[in-house]
Amino acid sequence: AAGVIQSPRHLIKEKRETATLKCYPIPRHDTVYWYQQGPGQDPQFLISFYEKMQSDKGSIPDRFSAQQFSDYHSELNMSSLELGDSALYFCASSLRLAGKNRETQYFGPGTRLLVL
Amino acid sequence: GDSVVQTEGQVLPSEGDSLIVNCSYETTQYPSLFWFVQYPGEGPQLHLKAMKANDKGRNKGFEAMYRKETTSFHLEKDSVQESDSAVYFCALSINAGNMLTFGGGTRLMVKP
Repeated sequence: AAGVIQSPRHLIKEKRETATLKCYPIPRHDTVYWYQQGPGQDPQFLISFYEKMQSDKGSIPDRFSAQQFSDYHSELNMSSLELGDSALYFCASSLRLAGKNRETQYFGPGTRLLVL
Repeated sequence: GDSVVQTEGQVLPSEGDSLIVNCSYETTQYPSLFWFVQYPGEGPQLHLKAMKANDKGRNKGFEAMYRKETTSFHLEKDSVQESDSAVYFCALSINAGNMLTFGGGTRLMVKP
């Protein structure tokens, strides 16, 4: 079965640079979530999109922005990178069926970002 | 805000031992509860879930009971195997399409 695809898998940037992370959800999934996981930490929710509209917003810095495109893929744009942005960034997708709740989120393999 | 607490950062049972990994949650709403498992270099994978009070999630010999009265969702297994070694995250979500709130994770390292 197709899974969530994230690219790139690894990324090295310098401070103050920008980065773009891409997420391709499972086919027919309409909801995308972004999480950040620091070393030895639990994943922290950043932002989510449903049908190309922002759905929820968590602890996403103002330097970051994200969007979901017409083909449902999503991109997380990170500017003015800081050393503390070094982390694993996970994308998850789910299918939010009308009238049903609590669908499962399926996670991608993550993008490991290292800021030097 | 919502929160999930896992009291053990690491557990080190021997193969064949029984296991309980604690998970407590706090929310003013009515959550769905999950256990995710994460292997090195991979994203969290759903391990089991329970959608409402008194539901029991089951997978690969693991069980967790959604206990509303004690706001707990402890992960249990009668006999652990070395292949169960991984990091386990307890999590909750509220309503359709909402974010997951994770606990701090428990690293399970099963000794052969």
